[in-house]
Amino acid sequence: AQSVTQPDIHITVSEGASLELRCNYSYGATPYLFWYVQSPGQGLQLLLKYFSGDTLVQGIKGFEAEFKRSQSSFNLRKPSVHWSDAAEYFCAVAETGANNLFFGTGTRLTVIP
Amino acid sequence: DSGVTQTPKHLITATGQRVTLRCSPRSGDLSVYWYQQSLDQGLQFLIQYYNGEERAKGNILERFSAQQFPDLHSELNLSSLELGDSALYFCASSVVGGGKAFFGQGTRLTVV
Repeated sequence: AQSVTQPDIHITVSEGASLELRCNYSYGATPYLFWYVQSPGQGLQLLLKYFSGDTLVQGIKGFEAEFKRSQSSFNLRKPSVHWSDAAEYFCAVAETGANNLFFGTGTRLTVIP
Repeated sequence: DSGVTQTPKHLITATGQRVTLRCSPRSGDLSVYWYQQSLDQGLQFLIQYYNGEERAKGNILERFSAQQFPDLHSELNLSSLELGDSALYFCASSVVGGGKAFFGQGTRLTVV
């Protein structure tokens, strides 16, 4: 069965600093991997996805993620965080060809001035 | 705006009652997914419909059921409600399985 682990429940960074949010997955084959962002009171917005090919994926809002099969990881990165990036971030996995997502527990990002 | 519409936005009801949550997918999307977000369980996949037929089932309780109608809108029915059913219920849609899913804003259900 698929599972996703986000080891960091809460991360605080200063505005302008770099960011890395960790995500590890468990799945037998190569999964579909996603990062979603949820702002307070809002739905989920897709930041980026990995299906196959280039392991470095570019997303919206300046985010990128790198798929590392050997580490079963799909960490999200941003070189310079903006105050508006404060939100909850969810990593998710889906079986190849499917779209029913299995989510991690989320990482809450706080950005301080 | 994702194009996925969920109604109502908020719902307060008593234990033991039955409610229906509604989802209108994006135009052209055949797949609808339901998710539950609660403090205890996090974000959980409940069920998927594709063009009117159930396609995949997740951690959906027997008290819960869903359907997708010919116009592709979907309804999630929650019955014999318990306090623990209080959660944010999301609907998502995609063109086909295996692709980009767009989420609605959710329906916040409070059971008192």
